[in-house]
Amino acid sequence: DIQMTQSPASLSASLGETVTIECRASEDIYNGLAWYQQKPGKSPQLLIYNANSLHTGVPSRFSGSGSGTQYSLKINSLQSEDVASYFCQQYYNYPLTFGSGTKLEIK
Amino acid sequence: QVTLKESGPGMLQPSKTLSLTCSFSGFSLSTSGMVVSWIRQPSGKSLEWLAAIDWDGDKYYNPSLKSRLTVSKDTSNTQVFLKITSVDTADTATYYCARRPNWVYWYFDFWGPGTMVTVSS
Repeated sequence: DIQMTQSPASLSASLGETVTIECRASEDIYNGLAWYQQKPGKSPQLLIYNANSLHTGVPSRFSGSGSGTQYSLKINSLQSEDVASYFCQQYYNYPLTFGSGTKLEIK
Repeated sequence: QVTLKESGPGMLQPSKTLSLTCSFSGFSLSTSGMVVSWIRQPSGKSLEWLAAIDWDGDKYYNPSLKSRLTVSKDTSNTQVFLKITSVDTADTATYYCARRPNWVYWYFDFWGPGTMVTVSS
């Protein structure tokens, strides 16, 4: 199985700041990566697919980048509604696997 | 408008079989390329992909759980089912169904709200 190592586990930032969340795959996943946002008590919502493509309706302050085994999610101009947990998911190979998650809070 | 909704027993005893239903609308599982998948999440933990079924009836399983899982769909292509045999406390989780929207890439663009399942004697 491809292991997805996500960091940091938790993050506290101020409104308006830029934050970055990282995911490292145990092997090359050739941009087969998605990012999800999960607010407390809710189901995950797709933000980014194919490593850097913004899903319909997602604010442009979210962006994804990376290649090979290293990927990142950047949130510009942090808003209060961005408080959530964020998960990466690789879909280059079966079984599909997820990162351990990053819990984002406002300082 | 695409919607999915999971339903399940809420609570069941160890060693029993868990039966889950995903009812969806706004798309048809008979559409080429469409897939519905099951994913679970223990409270406070990450997500685990379990199984999926595609428009052609092909089934996909997480090898770590494959011997206990059975995914199926109804003939009207509006419901997908998951059975997990011999449950134990480690199967306590929120279970989600989600849609894969295209032929190639296994990401999920719509998710149901989830159904919480507790395994306890």
